[in-house]
Amino acid sequence: TQLLEQSPQFLSIQEGENLTVYCNSSSVFSSLQWYRQEPGEGPVLLVTVVTGGEVKKLKRLTFQFGDARKDSSLHITAAQTGDTGLYLCAGINYGQNFVFGPGTRLSVLP
Amino acid sequence: DTGVSQDPRHKITKRGQNVTFRCDPISEHNRLYWYRQTLGQGPEFLTYFQNEAQLEKSRLLSDRFSAERPKGSFSTLEIQRTEQGDSAMYLCASSLIRGRDMNTEAFFGQGTRLTVV
Repeated sequence: TQLLEQSPQFLSIQEGENLTVYCNSSSVFSSLQWYRQEPGEGPVLLVTVVTGGEVKKLKRLTFQFGDARKDSSLHITAAQTGDTGLYLCAGINYGQNFVFGPGTRLSVLP
Repeated sequence: DTGVSQDPRHKITKRGQNVTFRCDPISEHNRLYWYRQTLGQGPEFLTYFQNEAQLEKSRLLSDRFSAERPKGSFSTLEIQRTEQGDSAMYLCASSLIRGRDMNTEAFFGQGTRLTVV
């Protein structure tokens, strides 16, 4: 069974601070996605990383896929209150279903 | 809106009743997934289809649960004899798999929130 772990589980920071959240697995994934989910809504896709060592930037968000394609990180620079939400990572292994981590719940305080 | 749509958004039912949810995927997507999410947790995989074929079912999908995608377009998820433990958000997602490229991205609907009383 492929499992994804995310850390930290909860994170509360002040607006303007930087943060990094992590997604780890003992399994290799062919690609990994990051989603953000707000209460009562479905997850919204932020980015997909495919190549080991790949770094993608989306405005203030930087995503990295580990060299071995087993882990990933999401770094947010100068967090804003609008970044508040549940951040989920999901891995897919060569065309099978998506496996989700438990999520990191981020609160950015004004 | 050409995204994934789910109906209904909310459903309250009495224990023991049957419920059915519908998912309309993005039109050109050949894969459709069902997930269940409880409060504070990540989505848990239930089942997925490629076109009309159901390719995988989770052990979470007891015999009270059945999913169909008869024409390879919309899908339904039915829960029979609902129990309080079935209360959750049921999420549908779709994706496009092309040829030998096994990497794909899932796009989610807004979910159906089920409450069993």
